[in-house]
Amino acid sequence: DQQVKQNSPSLSVQEGRISILNCDYTNSMFDYFLWYKKYPAEGPTFLISISSIKDKNEDGRFTVFLNKSAKHLSLHIVPSQPGDSAVYFCAAILYNFNKFYFGSGTKLNVKP
Amino acid sequence: KAGVTQTPRYLIKTRGQQVTLSCSPISGHRSVSWYQQTPGQGLQFLFEYFSETQRNKGNFPGRFSGRQFSNSRSEMNVSTLELGDSALYLCASSLDRGLLNEQFFGPGTRLTVL
Repeated sequence: DQQVKQNSPSLSVQEGRISILNCDYTNSMFDYFLWYKKYPAEGPTFLISISSIKDKNEDGRFTVFLNKSAKHLSLHIVPSQPGDSAVYFCAAILYNFNKFYFGSGTKLNVKP
Repeated sequence: KAGVTQTPRYLIKTRGQQVTLSCSPISGHRSVSWYQQTPGQGLQFLFEYFSETQRNKGNFPGRFSGRQFSNSRSEMNVSTLELGDSALYLCASSLDRGLLNEQFFGPGTRLTVL
């Protein structure tokens, strides 16, 4: 039973354009959401996060949007760069239970 | 500052065997978490150790166990290996508990069960 889902296993975008990575979740009690980026042969690295009390968080080229009514969050990368090509995981946290859940990942390919 | 290190990087075992994976956290980090990554399920949380005690556990069978030593190094053990245990096992460390947005991941151990 996957509580966090990334329905698109892959995404291809032209350099300079916007990349939009999506994530859906089922538990409305999640407190916090995170995005991680993973290159091959390396562990994931933290990218950006958002609290459930907010609907947007921005950090440079990366913006995460949270739509609680739709139980949906998205990561926008503008402008996309070839170095952004990686697998992106979203994760959700239940602080009271100190548990968190990851999506299955979306592989982003940014073409030069 | 050295990052999180995991040994071995690659491992091949056969069904029924057991395996022990090792994780050395970043110096000063006291919390160590373990994850399993498979193509179908993505990243799944296994357990978290802090001060040599397991603090949290994911939904994995008892064949998966771990421990943490006084120097914060951690080991994960899988007994009676099954084909489905083939995965990338990732370890992550953080300064303290709850700092999930400040976890640093190691490169992982690729386990193949034949």
